[in-house]
Amino acid sequence: QQPVQSPQAVILREGEDAVINCSSSKALYSVHWYRQKHGEAPVFLMILLKGGEQKGHEKISASFNEKKQQSSLYLTASQLSYSGTYFCGTNMDSNYQLIWGAGTKLIIKP
Amino acid sequence: EPEVTQTPSHQVTQMGQEVILRCVPISNHLYFYWYRQILGQKVEFLVSFYNNEISEKSEIFDDQFSVERPDGSNFTLKIRSTKLEDSAMYFCASRVAGWTGELFFGEGSRLTVL
Repeated sequence: QQPVQSPQAVILREGEDAVINCSSSKALYSVHWYRQKHGEAPVFLMILLKGGEQKGHEKISASFNEKKQQSSLYLTASQLSYSGTYFCGTNMDSNYQLIWGAGTKLIIKP
Repeated sequence: EPEVTQTPSHQVTQMGQEVILRCVPISNHLYFYWYRQILGQKVEFLVSFYNNEISEKSEIFDDQFSVERPDGSNFTLKIRSTKLEDSAMYFCASRVAGWTGELFFGEGSRLTVL
């Protein structure tokens, strides 16, 4: 079952914050976040495992709420380089393939 | 830094022709994948490969698709009789082991079917 990402797109000014959500209708084992710039391959950001992890990566962090079956990606003080499409990938078990969300397009304006 | 490499970067073919897309995964990785991304859309899983056999495949991966690891380094995706709707970016990816690890993507092969 494909995870649902929201919003579909967001436009920010440099320095503003953004939150991208990834929700599943089923219990999750892990959530993976990737960023893809136009014409390029997806690039790994972070993985969160069940257990309610919260991880940070410079000014990009994420949380995983098992009960809500949801993960959120937080981008603070956004930079122009954060522009791109953010995908979450989820699986229900360590043996299962990742299923990808439809992506959230983030546009950062100077 | 080790990387996944893919060739060709772009291939244009006529409908009905066979296409082979090639990938060289990172050398110590054990799991290999092909994904497809139609322009502007989400990444779609095609097939995973482990221990020299397909471990999982999606509904998209029908009889016209096949994968091989012919020589222990290359990982190929063959599309036997291409259709217009096969036009997409095809990404190869690999990981060491376990879904706690990062998935490394290649730069992609853009396939255009005319």
